Amino acid sequence: NAGVTQTPKFRVLKTGQSMTLLCAQDMNHEYMYWYRQDPGMGLRLIHYSVGEGTTAKGEVPDGYNVSRLKKQNFLLGLESAAPSQTSVYFCASSYSGDKPHHNQPQHFGDGTRLSIL
Amino acid sequence: GEDVEQSLFLSVREGDSSVINCTYTDSSSTYLYWYKQEPGAGLQLLTYIFSNMDMKQDQRLTVLLNKKDKHLSLRIADTQTGDSAIYFCAESITDSNYQLIWGAGTKLIIKP
Repeated sequence: NAGVTQTPKFRVLKTGQSMTLLCAQDMNHEYMYWYRQDPGMGLRLIHYSVGEGTTAKGEVPDGYNVSRLKKQNFLLGLESAAPSQTSVYFCASSYSGDKPHHNQPQHFGDGTRLSIL
Repeated sequence: GEDVEQSLFLSVREGDSSVINCTYTDSSSTYLYWYKQEPGAGLQLLTYIFSNMDMKQDQRLTVLLNKKDKHLSLRIADTQTGDSAIYFCAESITDSNYQLIWGAGTKLIIKP
């Protein structure tokens, strides 16, 4: 069981460069999420998706874009990287919503460590 | 708005019990989760409790929920060096099927 797979695992960028982080899940989950983790700040939600073709902003969306063209994939894009975007990025997925209040824990990938110089 | 709070650090001796605490503000939460993050790794679901329960035990782990005080705790019995990690508390809320509210994480430090 692969679960949630993130690529790449590490990346170093120069300020102003662009890149795309890929997240793939094989659990047929409807919901997918991108978080960033910074020391002492826990997890902050960047964007999320409640289904194929839909995306929504989370707590810290500025400077990022996302796409969910296929149910199993959720892409996070940085159009013009800035040093403030140096962080560890986590993708997660969870089962949907046709059962309100159903137990729906999120399943995480191993993270992408991104440094912007 | 909703908020989940945890202490940032906890230091315990190997073999002792660890108790990691979490407080939350949303009284309509349904499930409360504990996740473990080992160094350089992603978050793993450790255990969870439904809001109509007050205790759940799973081997060395005991989760206690006090709904009146909105307090959640995770007790790890016989703490081992392999328990060194950051532990995150998270709650699901009834008006959202998808969103979890996260604490900042408690780093558990094991002293020999």
